[in-house]
Amino acid sequence: LAKTTQPISMDSYEGQEVNITCSHNNIATNDYITWYQQFPSQGPRFIIQGYKTKVTNEVASLFIPADRKSSTLSLPRVSLSDTAVYYCLLLSNDYKLSFGAGTTVTVRA
Amino acid sequence: GAVVSQHPSWVICKSGTSVKIECRSLDFQATTMFWYRQFPKQSLMLMATSNEGSKATYEQGVEKDKFLINHASLTLSTLTVTSAHPEDSSFYICSALDTPAESYNEQFFGPGTRLTVL
Repeated sequence: LAKTTQPISMDSYEGQEVNITCSHNNIATNDYITWYQQFPSQGPRFIIQGYKTKVTNEVASLFIPADRKSSTLSLPRVSLSDTAVYYCLLLSNDYKLSFGAGTTVTVRA
Repeated sequence: GAVVSQHPSWVICKSGTSVKIECRSLDFQATTMFWYRQFPKQSLMLMATSNEGSKATYEQGVEKDKFLINHASLTLSTLTVTSAHPEDSSFYICSALDTPAESYNEQFFGPGTRLTVL
């Protein structure tokens, strides 16, 4: 069973910020919160990963509250090419990834 | 950057035949690779963990005699779908874990292989 819960879909427009919140109430001490992006008929692509507080890279930011029971992926100024499925996963030291349904983000012009 | 390739990218076969899918880490060594299956409009499902030099470990419900995995080198894992049937038609994706993994984000996915069984 997937260990995370996230919205099934989100719609946005070009240039807007998209925030996807993921719930992981049973996160373990060793778990890292990891987000992947997947386009149709392609393998997932790593976006960002964090353990606590805030992580930022060139494509996204990840906000993690102190209790780590949820996290929010923030995509700044999305474009049409950001239309994809976004997966929130918990990665532990066995490196196994349990994919949930993901969030289908649709960006419109 | 780390690149994982899969071959073939797509394959069509007749029911009852066997199909081999290769997963290669092109610029790094991977003692561990993972195989996933994804049906249309569904999420990825982990099938098995492939360890170099040892037997693969399969997730519950995955038939190890039907999905043969061989991880003969640090850069190659193969998945053979034996006696394929139409219900095996799916998108098969591998991922490879960089070795040694110094951080948790050292897992890279291949582009996937589309299998269609007629």
